[in-house]
Amino acid sequence: EAGVVQSPRYKIIEKKQPVAFWCNPISGHNTLYWYLQNLGQGPELLIRYENEEAVDDSQLPKDRFSAERLKGVDSTLKIQPAELGDSAVYLCASSLGSGNTIYFGEGSWLTVV
Amino acid sequence: AQKITQTQPGMFVQEKEAVTLDCTYDTSDPSYGLFWYKQPSSGEMIFLIYQGSYDQQNATEGRYSLNFQKARKSANLVISASQLGDSAMYFCAMREAGGTGAGSYQLTFGKGTKLSVIP
Repeated sequence: EAGVVQSPRYKIIEKKQPVAFWCNPISGHNTLYWYLQNLGQGPELLIRYENEEAVDDSQLPKDRFSAERLKGVDSTLKIQPAELGDSAVYLCASSLGSGNTIYFGEGSWLTVV
Repeated sequence: AQKITQTQPGMFVQEKEAVTLDCTYDTSDPSYGLFWYKQPSSGEMIFLIYQGSYDQQNATEGRYSLNFQKARKSANLVISASQLGDSAMYFCAMREAGGTGAGSYQLTFGKGTKLSVIP
C-alpha cells in the first residue's frame, strides 16, 4: 500500500514568488495534516482536515498561507508571497480519524532565496 | 512550559548495543498518547511505536520498546541491538484528547535526538 505522497520534493524560489505543495494521503485516511518543520526542530501543525473541513487552522499564517482539500482526498498548501523565513520542510500526514496513528510523507523541502 | 522535552541533542551507540532515548512530557489531560518517530536524512517521519496513557503494559515493536513511567511522566525509547541504519533523528510526540474541535488530538513534538550508530 502506498504511503503519503508529496510533491515536489525540493523547491527553490525567490522571495515574493508563490509556491504550492501537493499531498496525496494514504487511501482511506479521512484526516489530513500539514506540518512545518524548521531546521533542528520538531514539526509543528499548520492545519488539520477532517474530510473536506479544516477543523484546526489556528496556526496557519493566513495572510500568506492557504490550503485546500477539495473532495476530501488530495490537498494543496500554498504560500504567496514567500518570505526568506519560510525556508523549511513542509510535511503532509494522514490518519484514519483524528485519534489514530499519524503517518507522514517524505516532505517538501523549500528554500527561499 | 514545553509539553515534550528531549534532553539529549545527540547520542552515540556502538553497533549491536542497546540505547535509551529520553523523553519527558507535561500534560493535565488524563487521556493522551505518546509516539516515537524516526527521521532519517531523507526527511520522512517514520512511525515507530505508540503508548496510550491507559495502557497497562509497556509497548514493544520488534527492536523498539517504550519504557513508560506514568508517575514520572516519562516515555523513553529503548532500541535493542542497534544497527547502522538506526542512525537518524528520533522525535518523541504527544497527542492529548483535549476535548473537541481545534486543538484536540494535536500532535506535539519534542526537538529530537540525533542518534549515531558507530560500527
